[in-house]
Amino acid sequence: DQQVKQNSPSLSVQEGRISILNCDYTNSMFDYFLWYKKYPAEGPTFLISISSIKDKNEDGRFTVFLNKSAKHLSLHIVPSQPGDSAVYFCAASGYGSGNTGKLIFGQGTTLQVKP
Amino acid sequence: DTAVSQTPKYLVTQMGNDKSIKCEQNLGHDTMYWYKQDSKKFLKIMFSYNNKELIINETVPNRFSPKSPDKAHLNLHINSLELGDSAVYFCASSQDSPGANVLTFGAGSRLTVL
Repeated sequence: DQQVKQNSPSLSVQEGRISILNCDYTNSMFDYFLWYKKYPAEGPTFLISISSIKDKNEDGRFTVFLNKSAKHLSLHIVPSQPGDSAVYFCAASGYGSGNTGKLIFGQGTTLQVKP
Repeated sequence: DTAVSQTPKYLVTQMGNDKSIKCEQNLGHDTMYWYKQDSKKFLKIMFSYNNKELIINETVPNRFSPKSPDKAHLNLHINSLELGDSAVYFCASSQDSPGANVLTFGAGSRLTVL
């Protein structure tokens, strides 16, 4: 039973445009959400996070939106750059994961930003 | 200076063999993890250690045994390797903060069982 889902395996956008990556979760006990970015042959690197007490968190070109009622979060990248091309993982943790700090990951979305 | 380093990066071995993957972190973190990324690209937690104490043990076969000699190291030993063990194994660490951990990952160790 996959508690965190990224239903779009891939996304292609033009440089300079907005990239929107989506993530859905099923466990209402999750209270912390993260986005990780992964380049080939490297480990995932932390990008941005959001607590369930917020609905938006912004860091430079990256903004994460959380809709708790819909159990949905999204990552906006604007403007998109070719260097943003990578696999993006959504992850969740909190009481829904036994409050051990364990992260539950989605299956990732491959973003390609075309010059 | 690599924060979380794991060796080897690639490992090719025969079914039935025993192998180990080592992991070290120099971040001073309290908690270390092993995650497995299977062929479907899901990253799933296997184990977690906090200050050398096992705190998460997912439904992983007994053939997998983590060992943490100190809080900077978490090694993974796998006995009697099977074809289904082929995957990329990621080590990670985090500062002790239950429910809100930002994990720092190593580059991964790709295990191929023939």
